Amino acid sequence: GENVEQHPSTLSVQEGDSAVIKCTYSDSASNYFPWYKQELGKGPQLIIDIRSNVGEKKDQRIAVTLNKTAKHFSLHITETQPEDSAVYFCAAAETSYDKVIFGPGTSLSVIP
Amino acid sequence: NAGVMQNPRHLVRRRGQEARLRCSPMKGHSHVYWYRQLPEEGLKFMVYLQKENIIDESGMPKERFSAEFPKEGPSILRIQQVVRGDSAAYFCASSPWQGDATNEKLFFGSGTQLSVL
Repeated sequence: GENVEQHPSTLSVQEGDSAVIKCTYSDSASNYFPWYKQELGKGPQLIIDIRSNVGEKKDQRIAVTLNKTAKHFSLHITETQPEDSAVYFCAAAETSYDKVIFGPGTSLSVIP
Repeated sequence: NAGVMQNPRHLVRRRGQEARLRCSPMKGHSHVYWYRQLPEEGLKFMVYLQKENIIDESGMPKERFSAEFPKEGPSILRIQQVVRGDSAAYFCASSPWQGDATNEKLFFGSGTQLSVL
């Protein structure tokens, strides 16, 4: 089955700097790669997703890149703000309505 | 449009008791997914259901755990004879499944924190 790895497990950045989280997946059949943000005591919230027919997608300060050949994908957050502090999960699935397999998470702290 | 509703938010059970966790999907959503999250870990897939059918239960423990999503009412995750190792946050997600794979997304509830004493 699919296995998703994620690095780093913790990340601290100064406000205004960029943050990068990297993930790898094992199943070449995966075609859908969502990213979730989880704040303390809350459920995961989808922040951006990318499908295998696209190499890059951007939404304001957030961008994701996908290298299907190498089976890795990344999340980039620019101009970080304290409210970006949370746990971020990458995930992979064959399609967006299949079960989604999550990475172990990255705890991001943005220092004011 | 209310989001995915889970109740209770917190559930305390003694070893050997039964736990019943409820999930009402977003309006119009016909697919429900259950995930378990242990402290400082990622979410582990348990089961995927649509109305009256289990689609994928590959993540469900073979014993004591069951899930249903009846034609009417919420989806229920049932854990019989709970043990301390069952203590975790259980999250439910739903999706509309309109048959368009390019536009499906999972929406998560706030979870049920199960504590087994």
